[in-house]
Amino acid sequence: RKEVEQDPGPFNVPEGATVAFNCTYSNSASQSFFWYRQDCRKEPKLLMSVYSSGNEDGRFTAQLNRASQYISLLIRDSKLSDSATYLCVVKGSSASKIIFGSGTRLSIRP
Amino acid sequence: DADVTQTPRNRITKTGKRIMLECSQTKGHDRMYWYRQDPGLGLRLIYYSFDVKDINKGEISDGYSVSRQAQAKFSLSLESAIPNQTALYFCATSWGGEKQFFGPGTRLTVL
Repeated sequence: RKEVEQDPGPFNVPEGATVAFNCTYSNSASQSFFWYRQDCRKEPKLLMSVYSSGNEDGRFTAQLNRASQYISLLIRDSKLSDSATYLCVVKGSSASKIIFGSGTRLSIRP
Repeated sequence: DADVTQTPRNRITKTGKRIMLECSQTKGHDRMYWYRQDPGLGLRLIYYSFDVKDINKGEISDGYSVSRQAQAKFSLSLESAIPNQTALYFCATSWGGEKQFFGPGTRLTVL
């Protein structure tokens, strides 16, 4: 079993739709959680950190469920520019324990 | 100007050649990382460095070496390149090990 697992997609949704995807992790001692966005052939860029209480940034909402060991990302009112691959990142107690998921590909259609 | 730069951006080389990939940052971050990305596998950590005198192996360090020449510079070397080292390589920086900032990547092809 991978330490961090994501549904690879692709998720293909119409503009304006709400879309959500999850990321599960296996190490219960994981401490920090992030969502990164990666456009095709570009570098990953931090989208948002994920806090235990959940957090929102505009149209994006991230949630952490420690009991079930998953994090989620919800995108409301999706835009064409949201088309990208979304990477889940889980960090343990040391830098060597930064694990990237393989990403979920999202495609927004007009 | 970009905060994290990588050179070269693309490189094609032959099996057995020595290759160096360079990374520079102007963010003043203490920590620097090298990752490789392969289709379907996500990013995997090769080496990381907390400061000039602190170098650590990551998940897949075999076949690679690094040098932290200064706080702002972290280079990755492939002593004898092999075809399965063909990948997209990213350098990243962070302050205190939290949010990471990535360079634009180096696409390496080993024939």
